Amino acid sequence: AQKITQTQPGMFVQEKEAVTLDCTYDTSDPSYGLFWYKQPSSGEMIFLIYQGSYDQQNATEGRYSLNFQKARKSANLVISASQLGDSAMYFCAMRGPINFNKFYFGSGTKLNVKP
Amino acid sequence: ETGVTQSPTHLIKTRGQQVTLRCSSQSGHNTVSWYQQALGQGPQFIFQYYREEENGRGNFPPRFSGLQFPNYSSELNVNALELDDSALYLCASSLPSGAGTDTQYFGPGTRLTVL
Repeated sequence: AQKITQTQPGMFVQEKEAVTLDCTYDTSDPSYGLFWYKQPSSGEMIFLIYQGSYDQQNATEGRYSLNFQKARKSANLVISASQLGDSAMYFCAMRGPINFNKFYFGSGTKLNVKP
Repeated sequence: ETGVTQSPTHLIKTRGQQVTLRCSSQSGHNTVSWYQQALGQGPQFIFQYYREEENGRGNFPPRFSGLQFPNYSSELNVNALELDDSALYLCASSLPSGAGTDTQYFGPGTRLTVL
């Protein structure tokens, strides 16, 4: 069965510093996708970054990068140069199983960026 | 490109009533998924529709039902509302799995309160 675990309920980071949000996953499928979403207090889930299980390089999207360690089944999100607007809930999600586009979400991490 | 839209934004119902939530998919997306997000939790998968057919279902009772229309818009219907149905309901659209990208793009959600 697929499962996503986020062990950090809340995180604080100083503005302009980098922060890592942890995510571990469990699946028996050889092909899967890992995603990170940002959810501001308004509620909308905003897509940030995607990593495919067969991708050789870690994904990057602007200030977001995904530290993918397949053997450890971890997919941590790194946000560089934090901004006040980064304060939000962050969810790690996994697509599975193959041929069925269902997402499994973690419980989320609340990030607070301090000025 | 038009994003995912949902209506209404907020809704208040009483126990035992029925509710219909609506979603318009992102342009070009023929797969739509619905999620329930209780306060302080990650989204939970309800079901998915592809080409007007249900393409998988999560652990939700039959009083949760859905429809997808030829223009790929979708409805979520909930009968016999219970207090625990109070949540944010999120709709997400995507290309079908295997189409090269399976990122789900979410709408702003409908916040349902059951009294």
